Amino acid sequence: DAGITQSPRYKITETGRQVTLMCHQTWSHSYMFWYRQDLGHGLRLIYYSAAADITDKGEVPDGYVVSRSKTENFPLTLESATRSQTSVYFCASQVGTTYNEQFFGPGTRLTVL
Amino acid sequence: GQQVMQIPQYQHVQEGEDFTTYCNSSTTLSNIQWYKQRPGGHPVFLIQLVKSGEVKKQKRLTFQFGEAKKNSSLHITATQTTDVGTYFCAVSGYSSASKIIFGSGTRLSIRP
Repeated sequence: DAGITQSPRYKITETGRQVTLMCHQTWSHSYMFWYRQDLGHGLRLIYYSAAADITDKGEVPDGYVVSRSKTENFPLTLESATRSQTSVYFCASQVGTTYNEQFFGPGTRLTVL
Repeated sequence: GQQVMQIPQYQHVQEGEDFTTYCNSSTTLSNIQWYKQRPGGHPVFLIQLVKSGEVKKQKRLTFQFGEAKKNSSLHITATQTTDVGTYFCAVSGYSSASKIIFGSGTRLSIRP
C-alpha cells in the first residue's frame, strides 16, 4: 500500500553511537521533513528536503545529518548520539508548497542511554 | 525568526462543552494548517487556511484565520470523547514557504 513508513519503530542506543532512522514514502512527494517531538516543545523541524539532493536546516539541526539520494527515501543520522536526542522522531512528506498538507509516518521512539 | 504561540497548553472539559485553541504569530503568515494527534499516534492534517478572515467548518470544528493573517483559532462545538488529543497549528511565512513551524499544541482531555 502507498504511504510513508519509518524504521525502526523503537530504538535503544548508547551515548556516542551512530544511529540512522529510515523514512520511505511511496507517493513521490517532492518535500520530506524530519521532526522531533518532546514534551512541552511540540514538533520541532530538524531538516527538510525539497527534492532529491536538496536539503536544508530546520530549527534544531545540530547533531543530525540527512541525505536524499532518491526521492522516496530520507534517512536521518545521529552521528554521535547524546541523551538529549532521546525523543520521538517523525518523518513527513508533502506534495509541494502550494498546499501544505503533510503526511506523517508512525514515528520512531529513540532512547539514548 | 518565525515564532508561533499556541494557547492554552492544556484544556480539560466535560463532554458536550465547547473547546477553543488559539494560535498567534509574530509575523504575517502566508497560510496556516491545523493538525490533530491522538495519544500515541502521529499528527494528522485537518485543514489549511490561506485567505485573510477565512472561516472553514468541518462538522463540529470551526477554523478561523485572522484578518491580519497573524492568528488563527480552532473551535470544537459540543466535544465528544473522540475529540481527545493534541491540536497543533503549523505556520509558514512568506520568506520560506517550505519551512513549517509547529505550535506547541493544546492537549484536550474530556470527562465523559
